[in-house]
Amino acid sequence: GAGVSQSPSNKVTEKGKDVELRCDPISGHTALYWYRQSLGQGLEFLIYFQGNSAPDKSGLPSDRFSAERTGGSVSTLTIQRTQQEDSAVYLCASSSGGLTDTQYFGPGTRLTVL
Amino acid sequence: AQKVTQAQTEISVVEKEDVTLDCVYETRDTTYYLFWYKQPPSGELVFLIRRNSFDEQNEISGRYSWNFQKSTSSFNFTITASQVVDSAVYFCALDVNSGYALNFGKGTSLLVTP
Repeated sequence: GAGVSQSPSNKVTEKGKDVELRCDPISGHTALYWYRQSLGQGLEFLIYFQGNSAPDKSGLPSDRFSAERTGGSVSTLTIQRTQQEDSAVYLCASSSGGLTDTQYFGPGTRLTVL
Repeated sequence: AQKVTQAQTEISVVEKEDVTLDCVYETRDTTYYLFWYKQPPSGELVFLIRRNSFDEQNEISGRYSWNFQKSTSSFNFTITASQVVDSAVYFCALDVNSGYALNFGKGTSLLVTP
């Protein structure tokens, strides 16, 4: 079946602009995660959605970052007033839902803030 | 707190050599899961293996093998008879029963040359 898909694959934006990154999880997966991969910080957890429960936003680096998940499926990560330090690859993963279930990752969105 | 250390930043081998990637983890949880992911130049994180803390049996999958030793908190990954297609960044990750976000090591970049 189809894996996790993300769009766009690349995004170049100017400092101060807002961006939206999209993630489409594996069909039937109830858990969805966002991670950020940057040169200096490695892979960092951002946010976790499980079914209809309130998301765990403990990894979001600032209030400029937000995410939503509509209908328990597609998720959008929004970064407002982008800064150069937001430049990174944003990875989405999904799992079948149980704690510690294997997470399957999408190809990522490479964000460059000029 | 959880921590994963991959001390080898970069490894370069010649095709057909065996290579071992080291992973050392720290956690106070008694139930946890260890993972290895491969990230080829295309960028997508590819799941390789998941082991739980109660199963210390070594695992072999084709040219890949994993050695899990709780006594040394290590989960090392060996590629036998390496091939150019094995060139990638390999990440070790830890997931604990009390959480869900993967804790990643910094990754080991493996280059296999002909």
